[in-house]
Amino acid sequence: QVQLVQSGAEVKKPGASMKVSCRASGYTFTAYYMHWVRQAPGQGLEWMGWINPNSGGTNYGQKFQGWVTITRDTSITTSYMELTRLTSDDTAVYFCARGASPGLVTAFDIWGQGTMVTVSS
Amino acid sequence: DIVLTQSPGTLSLSPGDRATLSCRASQSVNSNYLAWYQQKPGQAPRLLIYGASSRATGIPDRFSGSGSGTDFTLTISRLEPEDFAVYYCQQYGNSPRWTFGQGTKVEIK
Repeated sequence: QVQLVQSGAEVKKPGASMKVSCRASGYTFTAYYMHWVRQAPGQGLEWMGWINPNSGGTNYGQKFQGWVTITRDTSITTSYMELTRLTSDDTAVYFCARGASPGLVTAFDIWGQGTMVTVSS
Repeated sequence: DIVLTQSPGTLSLSPGDRATLSCRASQSVNSNYLAWYQQKPGQAPRLLIYGASSRATGIPDRFSGSGSGTDFTLTISRLEPEDFAVYYCQQYGNSPRWTFGQGTKVEIK
């Protein structure tokens, strides 16, 4: 079945970087955009950016430009999201989510299980 | 970016009641590219509605979406016990950037 499986929880120190992976299976990885969304504890959903797995092209939310990088490895159908210069405000659950249909303008139909990242000294 | 404002913040209802959730956009949503998601504690969001009114695969017909332009509504005709959750609206018409509303919690009265 179609699924996205993310890497496990992480604890990071302020100023460090983190990299979360999202392995896709059950569909053609390069045919659907992959998005990343985060959710701070008790808060709402915040879109971070997307990657076109076919071309590698990316786009990031204004807030995240310059300190988030989304990449992919098509050979293992995996997308990665790297966030640098972490602060306690980056403590959140990070989700990957697939665009619901080929093309950019679409909702998100398949979500990873989420990766909890805690930033603490 | 488009700002989405959901109301009410919390809806206290009983099983069998009708739930009406609102999502208002700060500017018109292109082509009604508006989606609704359900999220339960400890789980990822689940797509319910896309294109303002189309149900996603496997979503029961008690869920319906309506609206256009800047005002959208999610209606749950008769609440089942498993429907008590947080609901988010999302616009994806103003690509390349997506935004979510702050959420409406539907709780048991």
